Amino acid sequence: EAGVAQSPRYKIIEKRQSVAFWCNPISGHATLYWYQQILGQGPKLLIQFQNNGVVDDSQLPKDRFSAERLKGVDSTLKIQPAKLEDSAVYLCASSTSGRAYEQYFGPGTRLTVT
Amino acid sequence: AQKITQTQPGMFVQEKEAVTLDCTYDTSDQSYGLFWYKQPSSGEMIFLIYQGSYDEQNATEGRYSLNFQKARKSANLVISASQLGDSAMYFCAMYFNDYKLSFGAGTTVTVRA
Repeated sequence: EAGVAQSPRYKIIEKRQSVAFWCNPISGHATLYWYQQILGQGPKLLIQFQNNGVVDDSQLPKDRFSAERLKGVDSTLKIQPAKLEDSAVYLCASSTSGRAYEQYFGPGTRLTVT
Repeated sequence: AQKITQTQPGMFVQEKEAVTLDCTYDTSDQSYGLFWYKQPSSGEMIFLIYQGSYDEQNATEGRYSLNFQKARKSANLVISASQLGDSAMYFCAMYFNDYKLSFGAGTTVTVRA
């Protein structure tokens, strides 16, 4: 069974530029999560999707971050414009419905904002 | 509010020895789950072990065991017979009634040959 796929693995941009990350969850997983992990900290949930609907985006900085999950499968997370403090690893995870405690994580995208 | 605390930022352990990673939590919820994840330098989060708040026996998975002390609100991870490949960041996490995973700050483990 293929795992959670993410791309790109690494991205370097200048502040005020835009960037987008892509996630393909495990086939059949209805729930998809985006986490932000700042260096030296644990992951923090940014947004949670159930199929193509948003369940929780309470910690998503909506003035600059946006996310969508078209057709309830792949998802993209966008930052526009980026700030220096957005430098982090962005992790995508997925789980089956009703089993949010059993999340499978992708390899992450490491973003550096200069 | 729920809070997870990992007080050890980094630890060194000799190969083949055991190491204990501390995790304490604070919650008023009665139902919750406790997890430990491993994050190697490659970046992915690898699930290690799970303990439910109502489980009376401590969870074990191979060389990993979870020392669950509910009254003390602690969930320490014990890695027995450490291997060089165990060098990584380890995160304690909790799953609360609001169906979110919340993570501690992590502990870096370095295994010495």
